Amino acid sequence: EIEMTQSPVTLSVSPGGRATLSCRASQSVNRNSAWYQQKPGQAPRLLFYGASIRATGIPGRFSASGSGTEFTLTISSLQSEDSAIYYCQQYDNWPPYTFGQGTKLEIK
Amino acid sequence: QLRLQESGPGLVKPSETLSLTCTVSGDSINRTNDYWGWIRQPPGKGLEWIGSIHYTGTTYYSPSLKSRVTISVDTSKNQFSLSLSSVTAADTAVYYCAENYYYMAVWGKGTTVTVSS
Repeated sequence: EIEMTQSPVTLSVSPGGRATLSCRASQSVNRNSAWYQQKPGQAPRLLFYGASIRATGIPGRFSASGSGTEFTLTISSLQSEDSAIYYCQQYDNWPPYTFGQGTKLEIK
Repeated sequence: QLRLQESGPGLVKPSETLSLTCTVSGDSINRTNDYWGWIRQPPGKGLEWIGSIHYTGTTYYSPSLKSRVTISVDTSKNQFSLSLSSVTAADTAVYYCAENYYYMAVWGKGTTVTVSS
């Protein structure tokens, strides 16, 4: 089973700033990774798949990159609405699909 | 627009079977390339994939839950279902269904299931 490890656990950034979230896979997953955003009381929402392909409706200030074992989600021009928990997921070697433990992003 | 909606009991007794249904609307569940999945999230914790099913009936399950999980599909109703047997308090979670093309593209809103006597 591939383990996905996210860092940091919590990130606090000022409005208008930039946040960089990391995800590391325990073995190569090529580019078969995805990112999700989950706001309190809501279901997760797909942000990116294929490591860097933006899902429908996701603003351009969200970007993602990486391959192999290292992946990055970057959010620029941070807004209060970006406060959420962000999860990465691998789908290269399954079952099972596995998720990271999440990074909580606070805007303040 | 594809939508998914979970339904089922919110309270299940320990040792009994948890049963949930996901109703798909806005498109047919008979999509060649798509699977349909179940994911859960215990209170205050992260996401755990439970399993997925293709409309043909092909299933994949998480190894950690495989002995207790059954996922089925009813194409006539555009629904798929989850059964989890011998539940304990550790199975208390929000259960989500999702369109599963490797990644989870569209999610239901989730339903909370509490295991308690």
